[in-house]
Amino acid sequence: DTAVSQTPKYLVTQMGNDKSIKCEQNLGHDTMYWYKQDSKKFLKIMFSYNNKELIINETVPNRFSPKSPDKAHLNLHINSLELGDSAVYFCASSHGTGVDLMSSYEQYFGPGTRLTVT
Amino acid sequence: GQSLEQPSEVTAVEGAIVQINCTYQTSGFYGLSWYQQHDGGAPTFLSYNALDGLEETGRFSSFLSRSDSYGYLLLQELQMKDSASYFCAVRGYSTLTFGKGTMLLVSP
Repeated sequence: DTAVSQTPKYLVTQMGNDKSIKCEQNLGHDTMYWYKQDSKKFLKIMFSYNNKELIINETVPNRFSPKSPDKAHLNLHINSLELGDSAVYFCASSHGTGVDLMSSYEQYFGPGTRLTVT
Repeated sequence: GQSLEQPSEVTAVEGAIVQINCTYQTSGFYGLSWYQQHDGGAPTFLSYNALDGLEETGRFSSFLSRSDSYGYLLLQELQMKDSASYFCAVRGYSTLTFGKGTMLLVSP
């Protein structure tokens, strides 16, 4: 059973287009994340939702809009795609937000979506 | 601001022990995590430290010193399959920051 799934796995599109990436987790987690990993492998968080509420919102162009219809889903919509958006986008989920002083704070990552903007 | 420093690359031979250091500056601190990522794959969780001291999980151990804003990942009995990138990550107040990653190359 896939714990965190993303669709599509590959996305090739032209500049100016609008696209969405979907993410679903079946782990029963209450927190989900979107990360961008660029060509230098730098992994940067974009957004985090806890129980459908936005808790982390890094400096990301407002062309990127996350949507969390329920705790198990966090989708990413990107408007007016630019060349610099080309990257691998990872969705992740966790139990808790990492500020709960839990014994562990483990994020489960999806397989990634490789976005290429031409 | 938030920043994490870790070496960009480490090389070692099979069977050896290697330590990957991570120093951090963040607004607030809740814990330090370590993730492994193979080429073309997704990051996978290795360990987490919220309190000072050593956490051991099989061949991997992680250490944290909050007063020094420092942690490390210790990999023992290195195997070829350990060749991968290793990321430290810090959870701060409303932030979650990953280091730039350390590429570990294990040779026979």
